[in-house]
Amino acid sequence: EAQVTQNPRYLITVTGKKLTVTCSQNMNHEYMSWYRQDPGLGLRQIYYSMNVEVTDKGDVPEGYKVSRKEKRNFPLILESPSPNQTSLYFCASSWTGGQPNEKLFFGSGTQLSVL
Amino acid sequence: GENVEQHPSTLSVQEGDSAVIKCTYSDSASNYFPWYKQELGKRPQLIIDIRSNVGEKKDQRIAVTLNKTAKHFSLHITETQPEDSAVYFCAASSPNDYKLSFGAGTTVTVRA
Repeated sequence: EAQVTQNPRYLITVTGKKLTVTCSQNMNHEYMSWYRQDPGLGLRQIYYSMNVEVTDKGDVPEGYKVSRKEKRNFPLILESPSPNQTSLYFCASSWTGGQPNEKLFFGSGTQLSVL
Repeated sequence: GENVEQHPSTLSVQEGDSAVIKCTYSDSASNYFPWYKQELGKRPQLIIDIRSNVGEKKDQRIAVTLNKTAKHFSLHITETQPEDSAVYFCAASSPNDYKLSFGAGTTVTVRA
């Protein structure tokens, strides 16, 4: 079954404690991206990756890191989380038949709370 | 960078009526405009998309129109049904950097 798998689904942590949210896709997609969703703000792009070892900043990259060492995985790293990073996070990947970010397929989301 | 504005933020319609959501974008180079539907507690899912070389696209009860000159595009849902109740997001993308910028979303409620 084609899917984007994010883990964990829910995470409660404290300010300053490093964390990683994993994302893996089994569709051989080249393009992967991270978004955060906040009420009234929609989906805002954090980072995206066009292929292995190629990453670029989205609109809200501050406080986040990513890596793309393998095609299927695109982890999101918060080195020192702060309460303003409390949000619902989505990983997404897209097919390679057209423009890289067309027809995004989203993971189930990770609800992060930073206390 | 691209700025996408979406209106209205909430929309309540009677079952069977039509719903229209409008978006504007700022980057004239943007060439790809998808719409995503997010049901409560679920992931966003693509429902329809349009490229800048097409003015209109239809898929059953859903249609999208694009006005490049005015830099706006709209989603039209006809004969609304309860299962159309969800949050709808528009988005725009430029081929210059392949970012995908989303609008703030429209919560659609279909009243039975």
